[in-house]
Amino acid sequence: SQQGEEDPQALSIQEGENATMNCSYKTSINNLQWYRQNSGRGLVHLILIRSNEREKHSGRLRVTLDTSKKSSSLLITASRAADTASYFCATEVLSGSARQLTFGSGTQLTVLP
Amino acid sequence: NAGVTQTPKFQVLKTGQSMTLQCAQDMNHEYMSWYRQDPGMGLRLIHYSVGAGITDQGEVPNGYNVSRSTTEDFPLRLLSAAPSQTSVYFCASSYSPGHSGNTIYFGEGSWLTVV
Repeated sequence: SQQGEEDPQALSIQEGENATMNCSYKTSINNLQWYRQNSGRGLVHLILIRSNEREKHSGRLRVTLDTSKKSSSLLITASRAADTASYFCATEVLSGSARQLTFGSGTQLTVLP
Repeated sequence: NAGVTQTPKFQVLKTGQSMTLQCAQDMNHEYMSWYRQDPGMGLRLIHYSVGAGITDQGEVPNGYNVSRSTTEDFPLRLLSAAPSQTSVYFCASSYSPGHSGNTIYFGEGSWLTVV
């Protein structure tokens, strides 16, 4: 079953604008991760935010986590055409030595030059 | 350091055939896993391994077998391919949860079509 659900499913913006993607989930988690997938390629890890963290930055990326609302957002500032990709959130529950990573269906971001 | 290497990149199988998708990592990661990605969906976990000799089932294990004889390799076997197994398969690896570096690294994917 899918735990993380991204919103919107597709987003189209102009270069230079900010892009915001949201992720909602259903159960308690240990951490939440965001990945990027370019067409026909593998997933690239962008950022991980732990359940006791509320905000994290990495370059032009800003991730927030609200565990009370079971939601997260990914903000990409000053977007570039190269940011065009699918973005997935994945929630992780650590169970002993097992890493239970559950992915959402993704947001397709298109940045127009 | 090649990261996570998957082979083959593309494969077409006939229904009923068997094959093995290879996955190797050179980062000395304890944890390895296989996912499948279907159109418009996120990844779903097939099998995972927390170390050599230890494997366990994920969300969609039916029709697949795995083994982990070495730390580096984690092959995925399709026993009798079915059209429903047409998908993109991703192998991933990481340190175990207790390790401070817990980024998960993915391979480039294997596109499998079963006709």
